[in-house]
Amino acid sequence: DQQVKQNSPSLSVQEGRISILNCDYTNSMFDYFLWYKKYPAEGPTFLISISSIKDKNEDGRFTVFLNKSAKHLSLHIVPSQPGDSAVYFCAASEGSSNTGKLIFGQGTTLQVKP
Amino acid sequence: DGGITQSPKYLFRKEGQNVTLSCEQNLNHDAMYWYRQDPGQGLRLIYYSQIVNDFQKGDIAEGYSVSREKKESFPLTVTSAQKNPTAFYLCASSTGFGGEAFFGQGTRLTVV
Repeated sequence: DQQVKQNSPSLSVQEGRISILNCDYTNSMFDYFLWYKKYPAEGPTFLISISSIKDKNEDGRFTVFLNKSAKHLSLHIVPSQPGDSAVYFCAASEGSSNTGKLIFGQGTTLQVKP
Repeated sequence: DGGITQSPKYLFRKEGQNVTLSCEQNLNHDAMYWYRQDPGQGLRLIYYSQIVNDFQKGDIAEGYSVSREKKESFPLTVTSAQKNPTAFYLCASSTGFGGEAFFGQGTRLTVV
């Protein structure tokens, strides 16, 4: 049972335009959400996170939006740059569990064309 | 520099052999995790440990074993019972109380 889903395996955008990556979750106990970026043959690196008490968090070109009622979050990258081309994973955790376990989606491969 | 070190980066083993993947962290994190990544799939949790001498099974623990004798170290053994061991293995650590996990560079295990 996939608790975190990224339904788009891939996304292609033009340099300078907006990239929107989506993620859905099913577990209402999740209260902390993260986005990671991953290059081939490397470990994921943390990008941005959001707590369930917020609906938006911004860090430079990256903004994460959370819609709790729809159990949906999205990552916006504006403007997109060729160096953003990578696999993006969303992840979720239950803060109350105090384990720090992250449940990951399948990932979306973003290609930013020059 | 603080971080997580996984070794080796590439590992080849014959079918039927056990193999141990190393993971060391100097971030002073209490919690450590092992994930597995397969093509087209997300990261799936194998085992995790919140404290020394204690660990818990994740979603796909069958065929794997771990130990946590030191805070800094969390080695993963892929046993011959693991039916599809060829994969990219990632180790991570965190404070264990929410917040982001920090990942190592991964070990690509190929069983032939």
